Amino acid sequence: NAGVTQTPKFRVLKTGQSMTLLCAQDMNHEYMYWYRQDPGMGLRLIHYSVGEGTTAKGEVPDGYNVSRLKKQNFLLGLESAAPSQTSVYFCASLMRGILNTEAFFGQGTRLTVV
Amino acid sequence: GENVEQHPSTLSVQEGDSAVIKCTYSDSASNYFPWYKQELGKRPQLIIDIRSNVGEKKDQRIAVTLNKTAKHFSLHITETQPEDSAVYFCAAGDRTSGSARQLTFGSGTQLTVLP
Repeated sequence: NAGVTQTPKFRVLKTGQSMTLLCAQDMNHEYMYWYRQDPGMGLRLIHYSVGEGTTAKGEVPDGYNVSRLKKQNFLLGLESAAPSQTSVYFCASLMRGILNTEAFFGQGTRLTVV
Repeated sequence: GENVEQHPSTLSVQEGDSAVIKCTYSDSASNYFPWYKQELGKRPQLIIDIRSNVGEKKDQRIAVTLNKTAKHFSLHITETQPEDSAVYFCAAGDRTSGSARQLTFGSGTQLTVLP
């Protein structure tokens, strides 16, 4: 049981390049989230998904796209990377239901855009 | 949408002293308030949470209090130890909604416990 796994762990991109971050969870969770973490700004929600085939915008969605083709995977795409997207990205998953409250986070992806 | 403010942004305490971190929220529909701890270079992990039908919850040296009327909640750590040094995040959300009401996080508090 690996929990929530993100790939890659580190990446350096040039401005204008594209990339996809993969989040995989093996806990059969319905809900999945992508956050970015910047110094002094906490965790800000980029996009989230309530189930396979559905996605929704969070607080800071511009410049990102997501897909949830399989329940266990949530992909975050950057079509044309910008230096403002330099950040640490965290994926999280959560089981549906009022009794299940803990969000499990991946280990993070440190992205630098030069 | 929900707005969560967290104070202070940095906090230094002597080992053995208590630490208090405070958060306020704006959406009266929020009914779930977790606290996450993030050690340097690691992922955030849940340490304690509280629901809106409870005013206080305690787990060993950690306690959380909630004032729904004033829309604020606090994390209390007693007898602090060096391993408590980390960034702490509060969050607010709705866990009774059928949809995935997302958690809104505070900006974080860097706690340093001095030996």
